Order: sequence, then structure tokens, then C-alpha cells
Amino acid sequence: QVQLVESGGGVVQPGRSLRLSCGTSGFSFSSYGIHWVRQAPGKGLEWVAAISYDGRNKNYGDSVKGRFTISRDNSKNTLFLQMNSLRAEDTAVYYCAKDRGRYLEWMLWGVDYWGQGTLVTVSS
Amino acid sequence: DIQMTQSPSSLSASVGDRVTITCRASQTISNYLNWYQQKPGRAPNLLIYAASSLESGVPSRFSGSGSGTDFSLSISGLQPEDFASYYCQQSLSPPLTFGGGTKVEIK
Repeated sequence: QVQLVESGGGVVQPGRSLRLSCGTSGFSFSSYGIHWVRQAPGKGLEWVAAISYDGRNKNYGDSVKGRFTISRDNSKNTLFLQMNSLRAEDTAVYYCAKDRGRYLEWMLWGVDYWGQGTLVTVSS
Repeated sequence: DIQMTQSPSSLSASVGDRVTITCRASQTISNYLNWYQQKPGRAPNLLIYAASSLESGVPSRFSGSGSGTDFSLSISGLQPEDFASYYCQQSLSPPLTFGGGTKVEIK
């Protein structure tokens, strides 16, 4: 079955960096775009970033643009999120999620499988 | 960026009730609208995509409608497992913004 497993979360000081990973299995990873979505404690969902099936196209939310970088390694079925210049407001559970559409049909019809999330806490 | 406004932010209902949640986009998004359910401590779950298409495995009591800027999610015959938070999301153009969410609570 489809599985996505995030790792790399933890407590980090403001201004520092952190790299999240998302290992996947059960589907053709190189055929699908993948997203990062976050949720601050007690708050709603916020879309963070997405990367196309081949890694050529990337999109970011306004609040992370210029600080976060999404990437993928199709040979290892793994997604990454490099987070730099972290702020207190980046504190959240970070989910990776598989796009519902294949190849160029990505970013149109939502995300259909999610990981369990990894908590990032930015605090001094 | 496209802003998504959901209403109400919360509602109380009883088992068996019909519930409707609305979502409004700040500009026309055709039918590029998705609905998710999230239970406490769990990842969200896709219910509806393309405004009205039921995701595989989702009970038929869930339905979506709308096009352009105004959309709705309805649950006919609310079940105990439906008490959760619901989010709309536009997928016309990045950033793929979510609505603020609607929490459905037991009356």
C-alpha cells in the first residue's frame, strides 16, 4: 500500500536550518508530484511547497519562498525539504503528501495520500 | 494569491443531520476545488476533488458542488465518525491555498 514517512523534525533555534525527509513506498514515486503541507498547533492547514514528478518544477507558499527548498531523489523514492532561516512561526507539523495526478496532471486534483507528519519546533 | 473563505468556522449538529459547509474563492477557480476531512491527531483525508468528484472509498453521504467562486460540501445523514474538521483547497494556481477550516462538533 501507499506509504509516506516523514523524518527530521525536532527542536531548532530561530535562524538555524533543518532538513526534512519523506520516504515513500507502494507507488511509482517518479510519476507523481509531491507536496509539503504544514499545520501549526491548533491551527489550520497551510500549503508549503510542491515539486513535479521529475523535479523540474517547484512551487512555494509566500511565507517560505526564498527560505525553504524542496527537492527529490527519484532513485531513492525520497522527498526533501531544506528549511533555512527558521522562525518561530514555522513551528508546525509538516506533512508530505502525494499528488493525485500523474506526470503533467499534477497540482490539479488535490493530494490523495499523506504521511503521519513530523513536528518542527522553532524556539530558543 | 487566491484567498479561500470557509463558513461557518464551526457548527454543532446531531447524528443523522444534513450539514452543509461553504467555501468561497477570491477569484474564479472553475472546478479546481478539493475538500479534506481531518480528525484530531491525524493527517487529512481527501474527500472530494474537482469540486464534485467523490474520492475512492469515501462514503456517498459526502457530496460537493459549485463552480467559479462558490462551493459547498454536504454531508447527508451525519455519522459519529464524521465529527471532524473540514478544509477546502483551491488547485487552480500556486500557492494552493486552503480555507480556514470548519469544525463539526456533536450537539
